[in-house]
Amino acid sequence: NAGVTQTPKFQVLKTGQSMTLQCAQDMNHNSMYWYRQDPGMGLRLIYYSASEGTTDKGEVPNGYNVSRLNKREFSLRLESAAPSQTSVYFCASSDIGEGSYGYTFGSGTRLTVV
Amino acid sequence: AQSVTQPDIHITVSEGASLELRCNYSYGATPYLFWYVQSPGQGLQLLLKYFSGDTLVQGIKGFEAEFKRSQSSFNLRKPSVHWSDAAEYFCAVGSLWGAQKLVFGQGTRLTINP
Repeated sequence: NAGVTQTPKFQVLKTGQSMTLQCAQDMNHNSMYWYRQDPGMGLRLIYYSASEGTTDKGEVPNGYNVSRLNKREFSLRLESAAPSQTSVYFCASSDIGEGSYGYTFGSGTRLTVV
Repeated sequence: AQSVTQPDIHITVSEGASLELRCNYSYGATPYLFWYVQSPGQGLQLLLKYFSGDTLVQGIKGFEAEFKRSQSSFNLRKPSVHWSDAAEYFCAVGSLWGAQKLVFGQGTRLTINP
């Protein structure tokens, strides 16, 4: 099925460990995004990639890095995990123009840092 | 800076009753507005969007929303809720062109009483 695929779905890390969250979309969308969702705070943008080859910081980029590997894939890396990064992470993609339908979201990665 | 406020964190309604979820936004340019729904453990699904034209927009699952520029509001409504509508609802505002960086509200959790 067409859409956005995130891996893994669940992860537990120890403080200081590193990991990469993977995201791939098969809708030929230009733009991709990483958000984190915390209770009572909605979704906050971490990083985004407007097009292949570009990445930019969002609202809460500290402690994260991203790579737009190609048009399909956009990964999020935590170099040294901290308990404050315990959250649910969502990847999304979109295309531009009024013909687009807004974001398509992945099903999320639930990350716990202990 | 753009922002979205959903004044109601949690709303409970009876099955068959009408529903209105409030959303107020602050945005410097012409706003493009969205409502998303999130079922437990799932990603977000687009309910409806407003870009321009008719200020009353229809979405999926029997939902509609009305854009009121004078009140900076984009409230979501449904005439008669079903138990399956229990979920969290997010209002979002953003720009249509370029990177569609959406700003999300804090969310409103909807509980349905039988």
